[in-house]
Amino acid sequence: EAGVTQSPRYAVLQEGQAVSFWCDPISGHDTLYWYQQPRDQGPQLLVYFRDEAVIDNSQLPSDRFSAVRPKGTNSTLKIQSAKQGDTATYLCASSPPQGGSAETLYFGSGTRLTVL
Amino acid sequence: GQQVKQSSPSLTVQEGGISILNCDYENDMFDYFAWYKKYPDNSPTLLISVRSNVDKREDGRLTVFLNKSGKHFSLHITASQPEDTAVYLCAAVDSNYQLIWGSGTKLIIKP
Repeated sequence: EAGVTQSPRYAVLQEGQAVSFWCDPISGHDTLYWYQQPRDQGPQLLVYFRDEAVIDNSQLPSDRFSAVRPKGTNSTLKIQSAKQGDTATYLCASSPPQGGSAETLYFGSGTRLTVL
Repeated sequence: GQQVKQSSPSLTVQEGGISILNCDYENDMFDYFAWYKKYPDNSPTLLISVRSNVDKREDGRLTVFLNKSGKHFSLHITASQPEDTAVYLCAAVDSNYQLIWGSGTKLIIKP
């Protein structure tokens, strides 16, 4: 079974530039999560979807960040005007229907963003 | 405030010793607790987890202990090896099926 796929693996930007991250969840997983993880810290949830609907985006900086999952499968997270404080690894995870435990949450390998 | 706390940002253990990583939580409604390992530049990998009706679970060199009355759970790694060096994240699942993460403890195993 293919895992959660993310691209790109790395991104390096100047402040003010835009960047998009892409996530392909495991087939059949209805819930998709985007996390921001600064180095040596725990992941912080930014937004999560169930199918194509946004369930919670309260932690997403809405002035510069946006996330979509138009067909309830792949998802894109975009940063419009990156800041140095956005430097982190961006993790995508997915879980199957009724998955509510740590054992049903599958992570991608992440996109490591550096903003200079 | 932080619902899940790892108060030790780092821990150094001699090779062969027991590594003990600790996690405290605030929410009585958490019903699932987990430990993840994160290598640099990699996503978290689930190591071991327990439901709230279990106070101990073993898997090889790993044991997780859950103390519900103390709102505390810990990970014990016996016979610690240099390849155990990594950041360890604890997490708890809340009633909305969301993982609430600790900030991580960097474990260093000294040869």
